[in-house]
Amino acid sequence: QAGLTQPPSVSKGLRQTATLTCTGNSNNVGDQGAAWLQQHQGHPPKLLSDRHNNRPSGVSERFSASRSGNTASLTITGLQPEDESDYYCSAWDSSLSSVVFGGGTKLTVL
Amino acid sequence: QVQLQESGPGLLKPSETLSLTCTVSGDSIRDYYWSWIRQPPGKGLEWIGYIYHTGTTNYNPSLKSRVTLSVDTSKNQIFLRLTSVTPADTCVYYCAACAGGDFDSSGYYFPGGLDPWGQGTLVTVSS
Repeated sequence: QAGLTQPPSVSKGLRQTATLTCTGNSNNVGDQGAAWLQQHQGHPPKLLSDRHNNRPSGVSERFSASRSGNTASLTITGLQPEDESDYYCSAWDSSLSSVVFGGGTKLTVL
Repeated sequence: QVQLQESGPGLLKPSETLSLTCTVSGDSIRDYYWSWIRQPPGKGLEWIGYIYHTGTTNYNPSLKSRVTLSVDTSKNQIFLRLTSVTPADTCVYYCAACAGGDFDSSGYYFPGGLDPWGQGTLVTVSS
């Protein structure tokens, strides 16, 4: 069972904006923030944003992360076909002393 | 640029021990903490644990009794050992670098993100 809660699926149209959410608690997301990963089918995950909401070099500015309380969000603007993918959040859980993941959100670009 | 490559047997029988190697290139193994993560086919990600070159480790509580991580700094390699495997351990196993980390109030290191990842290796447990 995933430690963080993500909606299983989100569908948005081409060039629209999608906001994916990741809900945890005060021991994980609310404490240290969340990172976001993108995983295309058959490929390893790729870091999109770290717990400080910073994008690694090479990640498009269309991806931006934020946090409010115990919920982290990933906003993707100007959706493109290549954005269709699975998205995972991760966080450090200080009560477990362990990294926890969300169950993932499958983003469909219509 | 750091690159990681997992390797090891792809097929195990129940009760056997899973042993995987992650070979790091492009940087020294001393520069990062290193995590192992696994993913059952068609399902989500599960963190297994991390290790530092000093031998400092931290494991997922749900796997702690069966997992051992180790390093060989001379070969720039990280190792995963998982004992008493069952079909539920059938997963793609990934290694990843722990980026931008810090220490929590209990003194545990935690990563700011996992980047980059290896390509992963599928391990199937079946009789």
